[in-house]
Amino acid sequence: DVKVTQSSRYLVKRTGEKVFLECVQDMDHENMFWYRQDPGLGLRLIYFSYDVKMKEKGDIPEGYSVSREKKERFSLILESASTNQTSMYLCASSFSGEKLFFGSGTQLSVL
Amino acid sequence: GQQVMQIPQYQHVQEGEDFTTYCNSSTTLSNIQWYKQRPGGHPVFLIQLVKSGEVKKQKRLTFQFGEAKKNSSLHITATQTTDVGTYFCAGRGTYKYIFGTGTRLKVLA
Repeated sequence: DVKVTQSSRYLVKRTGEKVFLECVQDMDHENMFWYRQDPGLGLRLIYFSYDVKMKEKGDIPEGYSVSREKKERFSLILESASTNQTSMYLCASSFSGEKLFFGSGTQLSVL
Repeated sequence: GQQVMQIPQYQHVQEGEDFTTYCNSSTTLSNIQWYKQRPGGHPVFLIQLVKSGEVKKQKRLTFQFGEAKKNSSLHITATQTTDVGTYFCAGRGTYKYIFGTGTRLKVLA
């Protein structure tokens, strides 16, 4: 079974802190994605990567950056956390054109 | 940019009633996927539709892809309490999938 592991299920941070969300997949997928999920807004794409060291902005990249140094790991970075970044963050991976496998999500609260 | 709208946002049904959610894209899609997210869980893949006019069935679930490949629907016949959750469609762009806003289904026993 494909496993997509997110480092934390719940995270509480203070405004202005630098926050790292980690995601690891074990199926050699070339594509990896970061979404945030907010009530009534569905899943919105923040960044995605289709290869190591490659990254593309999604629909809401402002305030975020990403890193993909190894194929299995895709990190989301909040450079200076703000309260409007309180959300559920979901990582996903896939082969090109195929189904997405999601991690369990990280519920981030920024106080 | 590409947008995918989904209606309704919420639906409450009595157990045994049918349920349908609709997905509409602002652009032609190469394919569309459907996901289910149980309360407290993460989205799980249900199905992918690729061809214009395609219809696929999974037990009580029927998925359709429109002729113009800009809309899709998911129909559940005779809902059960296990169908509770949020159903998302996701339309494919070049590398990425754009998700609809989801339809949250509640089934009343």
